[in-house]
Amino acid sequence: SQTIHQWPATLVQPVGSPLSLECTVEGTSNPNLYWYRQAAGRGLQLLFYSVGIGQISSEVPQNLSASRPQDRQFILSSKKLLLSDSGFYLCAWSSGHSNSNQPQHFGDGTRLSIL
Amino acid sequence: GNSVTQMEGPVTLSEEAFLTINCTYTATGYPSLFWYVQYPGEGLQLLLKATKADDKGSNKGFEATYRKETTSFHLEKGSVQVSDSAVYFCALSGTGFQKLVFGTGTRLLVSP
Repeated sequence: SQTIHQWPATLVQPVGSPLSLECTVEGTSNPNLYWYRQAAGRGLQLLFYSVGIGQISSEVPQNLSASRPQDRQFILSSKKLLLSDSGFYLCAWSSGHSNSNQPQHFGDGTRLSIL
Repeated sequence: GNSVTQMEGPVTLSEEAFLTINCTYTATGYPSLFWYVQYPGEGLQLLLKATKADDKGSNKGFEATYRKETTSFHLEKGSVQVSDSAVYFCALSGTGFQKLVFGTGTRLLVSP
């Protein structure tokens, strides 16, 4: 069966420090991968998605970047964190078939607090 | 563009009460519709889905019917439990690539 792992579960970082959040998927190949941010008490905002290695699409301009160095690995990064980067970050995957019927499956999330 | 509107929360119910969480959508074409649930401190879990008009998705006693005429996908459960306390998200996926559009979520609080 397919599983998705995100780490770390929680992270406290000072303003201006770098960031690297990692997400890996097991049990499937060529998945579509997604990064979302959920601000406190609000809905989910899609940040990035990827349909293949090295292919990244950005949904909103911001202080963050994403990379996909391997088929089942998706990394969210920042060179210098801002206070506004605080939130709950969720990674998700879906089947690589371009079919809107396929649901997305989410990791357990990383809670990021910027001090 | 595509959008999803959910009822404001929190929804507060006693155990065994009937639950309805309203969800309406705006989309071109024929989207697929989903309900996700988020328990405290966790990621989202797929609860149910429907992919075409008049489809009924169901899981764990929850159900929702894809109503194209009213562009709605309301979530219902006949008898809620304390363990159903969570945030529920309605979402749609337009035709083609699966970029989900989420509603803002509705918090459900069930008391014993």
